[in-house]
Amino acid sequence: GAVVSQHPSWVICKSGTSVKIECRSLDFQATTMFWYRQFPKQSLMLMATSNEGSKATYEQGVEKDKFLINHASLTLSTLTVTSAHPEDSSFYICSAGTVTRGYEQYFGPGTRLTVT
Amino acid sequence: QQQVKQSPQSLIVQKGGISIINCAYENTAFDYFPWYQQFPGKGPALLIAIRPDVSEKKEGRFTISFNKSAKQFSLHIMDSQPGDSATYFCAASWGGNFNKFYFGSGTKLNVKP
Repeated sequence: GAVVSQHPSWVICKSGTSVKIECRSLDFQATTMFWYRQFPKQSLMLMATSNEGSKATYEQGVEKDKFLINHASLTLSTLTVTSAHPEDSSFYICSAGTVTRGYEQYFGPGTRLTVT
Repeated sequence: QQQVKQSPQSLIVQKGGISIINCAYENTAFDYFPWYQQFPGKGPALLIAIRPDVSEKKEGRFTISFNKSAKQFSLHIMDSQPGDSATYFCAASWGGNFNKFYFGSGTKLNVKP
């Protein structure tokens, strides 16, 4: 169990447009979801933590108005990159956790975003 | 300030050899230490995890050694195989912080046939 999916797996968009990435916990209810960004050959950088029904908590340096996070249900969180620019091109990964499963975070397969 | 320091950055091991990756942390509040394996273009997958009340945990060919006094923990991959070639990340967290993970910088392992 503990499967997390992401959609789309890859997306190409034009500069100035917005793109939405979905993260779903398929077989458990996620009280907390996390969004990470990963550049090539680098570690995962936490962008924000979201709890169902409340506003996301963003890490220092992450623009809240640019990276909109919504955690509307216990199985779905979305990340919207608004007015995307080429420097937003990256690998975005979500993870989900729940109190009933202890400390563990279950990671999605990631979404490759390319902004042209 | 980097909460978790990982070394080496890259590692080359012959097939059948032992791969050892080390991590060190500063925050004594950390109480959960997982290791993740990541293949190119994929999300991280949990390999093995340990809590500070034990000094060692073994699952198949993977072993975590934990030294609480030194604030260090390491991953040992026994009988390394070419299929183990991937990037490995250590992480640390504490339950009072929404399980936020602090990741190490990663180690790229290459197991030569």
